[in-house]
Amino acid sequence: GAGVSQTPSNKVTEKGKYVELRCDPISGHTALYWYRQSLGQGPEFLIYFQGTGAADDSGLPNDRFFAVRPEGSVSTLKIQRTERGDSAVYLCASSLGPKDTQYFGPGTRLTVL
Amino acid sequence: RKEVEQDPGPFNVPEGATVAFNCTYSNSASQSFFWYRQDCRKEPKLLMSVYSSGNEDGRFTAQLNRASQYISLLIRDSKLSDSATYLCVSFGEAGTALIFGKGTTLSVSS
Repeated sequence: GAGVSQTPSNKVTEKGKYVELRCDPISGHTALYWYRQSLGQGPEFLIYFQGTGAADDSGLPNDRFFAVRPEGSVSTLKIQRTERGDSAVYLCASSLGPKDTQYFGPGTRLTVL
Repeated sequence: RKEVEQDPGPFNVPEGATVAFNCTYSNSASQSFFWYRQDCRKEPKLLMSVYSSGNEDGRFTAQLNRASQYISLLIRDSKLSDSATYLCVSFGEAGTALIFGKGTTLSVSS
């Protein structure tokens, strides 16, 4: 079946701009996660949704980052006033339930110039 | 101190070699542990879960020592296709977020 999909695969933007990254989880998965992976590092947790609600947003680095999942399926990660330090691969994962195996999408590579 | 620490390597081994990766974790409340594999410019994929009793999947063996807060992965009879980064992962205290180490890079050559 279809895995987790993410769009766009690559995004280049200028410092100060606003970007939206989209994640389409595996059908039927109630849990959705966003992670960020910088070069040479492992993925770092950003936010976790159970259904429509953000159950844990403790990993969001500051208030420029926001994510939504209005219908409990597709999620959008929004970054305002992008900074060069935001450049990374943004990974989305989904799982059947909160403690089940997490399956990752291919990621969006964000470059802030 | 990072919650999950592992030697970044790289480990360069010939085909057929046995190689072991180690990992330590700092949060004794961590509930579950995994090894994920990540190929260059690809997403992480679950390789195997890690249990206190140890578990084996073909050429791969994973061990967990809760007393020492130590996790290991052993790969026997290395193949060229095993070349990748291996990420040691714990389930955070809240039991939802995965906590990743930096990864250990393995390069298997012929």
